[in-house]
Amino acid sequence: DAGITQSPRHKVTETGTPVTLRCHQTENHRYMYWYRQDPGHGLRLIHYSYGVKDTDKGEVSDGYSVSRSKTEDFLLTLESATSSQTSVYFCAISEVAGAQYFGPGTRLLVL
Amino acid sequence: AQSVTQPDIHITVSEGASLELRCNYSYGATPYLFWYVQSPGQGLQLLLKYFSGDTLVQGIKGFEAEFKRSQSSFNLRKPSVHWSDAAEYFCAVGANQAGTALIFGKGTTLSVSS
Repeated sequence: DAGITQSPRHKVTETGTPVTLRCHQTENHRYMYWYRQDPGHGLRLIHYSYGVKDTDKGEVSDGYSVSRSKTEDFLLTLESATSSQTSVYFCAISEVAGAQYFGPGTRLLVL
Repeated sequence: AQSVTQPDIHITVSEGASLELRCNYSYGATPYLFWYVQSPGQGLQLLLKYFSGDTLVQGIKGFEAEFKRSQSSFNLRKPSVHWSDAAEYFCAVGANQAGTALIFGKGTTLSVSS
């Protein structure tokens, strides 16, 4: 399995609270991604990174920001959490075109 | 528009029986195709991938998939299902370019009956 960890694995927060999720990889892969998984929607891309300090938006980026100050870490921030952001968040990595490898996920509940 | 369709939301198969999960895609360029499996509460594990060449690809856990360009399909098969195969299966399509999103189908849940 690819060396990807996500923290926290579970989080409950209140509406309006800022939340930061962390993805850490030990594979030294260039590309990192944040997806959210919701019933009936499969996985949808939020943001991705193609290098340190290089990021871009995905399909469902509104309300989210990201940062990547080191190759191994990719942070996802919900500036002011809303109930619609209750979801399971997955980080993924890839080195070249093709397969992405996923972390174990973070379950976020926004009350 | 780029999309992936998994027509079957839920399938039940008897243990030891064969399995085929369907996947159809719509993609403008030559696609890279993938099947992932997700057990409850877990992340997604890559089962197999197709980039080019032989249209029948072998994956882990005894799974295989066949790419049919004329039908825009990439169906997943297993000759004999085990109870441990019960999980959710996702088909995904991507571009021949690193850093692009994978487009996922909505998944097929496989139940295995004894």
